Parts: sequence; C-alpha cells; structure tokens
Amino acid sequence: DSGVTQTPKHLITATGQRVTLRCSPRSGDLSVYWYQQSLDQGLQFLIQYYNGEERAKGNILERFSAQQFPDLHSELNLSSLELGDSALYFCASSVVASGTTDTQYFGPGTRLTVL
Amino acid sequence: GQQLNQSPQSMFIQEGEDVSMNCTSSSIFNTWLWYKQDPGEGPVLLIALYKAGELTSNGRLTAQFGITRKDSFLNISASIPSDVGIYFCAGFFQGAQKLVFGQGTRLTINP
Repeated sequence: DSGVTQTPKHLITATGQRVTLRCSPRSGDLSVYWYQQSLDQGLQFLIQYYNGEERAKGNILERFSAQQFPDLHSELNLSSLELGDSALYFCASSVVASGTTDTQYFGPGTRLTVL
Repeated sequence: GQQLNQSPQSMFIQEGEDVSMNCTSSSIFNTWLWYKQDPGEGPVLLIALYKAGELTSNGRLTAQFGITRKDSFLNISASIPSDVGIYFCAGFFQGAQKLVFGQGTRLTINP
C-alpha cells in the first residue's frame, strides 16, 4: 500500500459526459501528479500540483482540468468524454515541488470506460 | 532525445532464472526509478537511484545508475512466479519538470 488513495476504482460512462476522479496523497506529501495509461501503453504525464498551485503541465487535453484543494487532495475533471479517453488514470504524490530527484508513489488507479 | 528506450519489451523465462533489463536515453538523467506494475494496479516503486554509478539492491532486485547518466539497468535474481508483471524505468532528465517513463518490460515466468 503506497498510501495514495484514489476513488472511484472503476467508472463507466457515456460519450459527452463529465466525470471527476479523486486522489488523496500520502500523508506529508505536497505534490500530486496525474497520469493517463491507455491499453498497453506507458504512463503519460498529465499535470502536477504543488500545495494547491499548478506546477507542471504535460500532455493534458483542454477538455481535462485538475485542481488541488487546501487539504491537499486533488481532483481530475474530464469533460466531453470521447471513446479514446478510456484508460487507467493514476495519481501519484511526492514530498517536494520540483520533481527532480524526488520519488513519486502511485495510487491504485481509476479505470475509466467510455461507452 | 527525451525518450527512454527500455529493453527488452518482453521476456519469457523459467522460474529460477536471472533477469536483466535496461533503459537508455540520449539525454542525461538526474534520477532513475524502477517500478513494477501488476495488471489493473498502480506502479509500485522498487528502487530509486540518485547518483551516477550508484548500485542499489532491494532483496533479489539490483539496479544501477549508469556512469554516463544516460542509462540504468535492473537485475532480478532467481526469479519466482510473483515477479510476473510489467517493469517500468522512469527518470528525470536535466531541466525536466516531469517524470518520463520507458515503454515497459513485460515479464512472464514459466513454472
């Protein structure tokens, strides 16, 4: 158990809909990262938040957004869902901001299926 | 240049055999991380490497940060059935804000 929690574990929805994925980082970690993993693909970095502020952006679509709340939990919002958005979405957390030389611990993921 | 090339893509071995996989890049890395992912689960950190030349063990696993800072390898000795899964290397290259992942090595063990 990494200490990172994600809910829900599974999500099935229809095209055009909007969903929210939730992540709670490990106790003491200030940074939260979101990743997308499509079938048989590696992990693609989406976005990072540190202590409530956006710190780095990766390959995140404009239809997707995230935020980190004062209690440090984070939510990833996916809107106008398309079939291709079906994937595993992982949250990771770490202690420091920059990411360099910092170790990330991953949650169990949310499997999103768009029908 | 910012890509990680992980090899092999897949391995089929007998239980008890040793395993070796590696990651290379044309970029210089400051950190190398090795993760294992079981189907439908999140990646689990196995070993973290922070200095060139560093050799670190975690049980039957050993990983090294290459001297050139452009590569890393992971060895698993005396493989057992629970070693089955996908192994990912990941790292931060100089000046990067994000963790870059290799394509993964899928390990299958024949009993």
